[in-house]
Amino acid sequence: EAGVVQSPRYKIIEKKQPVAFWCNPISGHNTLYWYRQNLGQGPELLIRYENEEAVDDSQLPKDRFSAERLKGVDSTLKIQPAELGDSAVYLCASSSRPSGGTDTQYFGPGTRLTVL
Amino acid sequence: EDQVTQSPEALRLQEGESSSLNCSYTVSGLRGLFWYRQDPGKGPEFLFTLYSAGEEKEKERLKATLTKKESFLHITAPKPEDSATYLCAVHGNAGKSTFGDGTTLTVKP
Repeated sequence: EAGVVQSPRYKIIEKKQPVAFWCNPISGHNTLYWYRQNLGQGPELLIRYENEEAVDDSQLPKDRFSAERLKGVDSTLKIQPAELGDSAVYLCASSSRPSGGTDTQYFGPGTRLTVL
Repeated sequence: EDQVTQSPEALRLQEGESSSLNCSYTVSGLRGLFWYRQDPGKGPEFLFTLYSAGEEKEKERLKATLTKKESFLHITAPKPEDSATYLCAVHGNAGKSTFGDGTTLTVKP
């Protein structure tokens, strides 16, 4: 079974430029997560989707970050414009979370973003 | 707000030297405590889920235990390939997982 796929794996951009990350979850997983992981820290949730609906985006900096999950499968996370402090690894995870239940999340390899 | 604190931040062991990693947590209504392993340049890899105090799970040289305030990841006779960062996360009534900052384990041959 294929795991969570993310692209690109690495991205280097200058500040104020836009950037987008793509995630394809494990087939059949209805829940998708985007996390940001700074060096030496644990992942921090940015947004959680259940199917097409964003059910938790309280930690997403909405002035510059946006996300979408079309047709409840693939997802894209965008930053516009990027700032120096956005340099981090952006992780996507998916799970077959039962409604109201606890899930095991399966992570992709992440996209390492460097903002110069 | 849910909180997870992991200790120590870093641990260096000789091959075969057993030890334990600690995960202390506060959570509103624990629904599950997760342990993940993360290798450099990769995403976290799921190891265990614990649901209630007193529960224990084992996998090869790893054993995870849970109390009402903390979880331990015991590593018995570690090998160099066990070197990684080990992450703990709690899932509570808020409906999301909160991660600790991890313990980086280095096992020297």
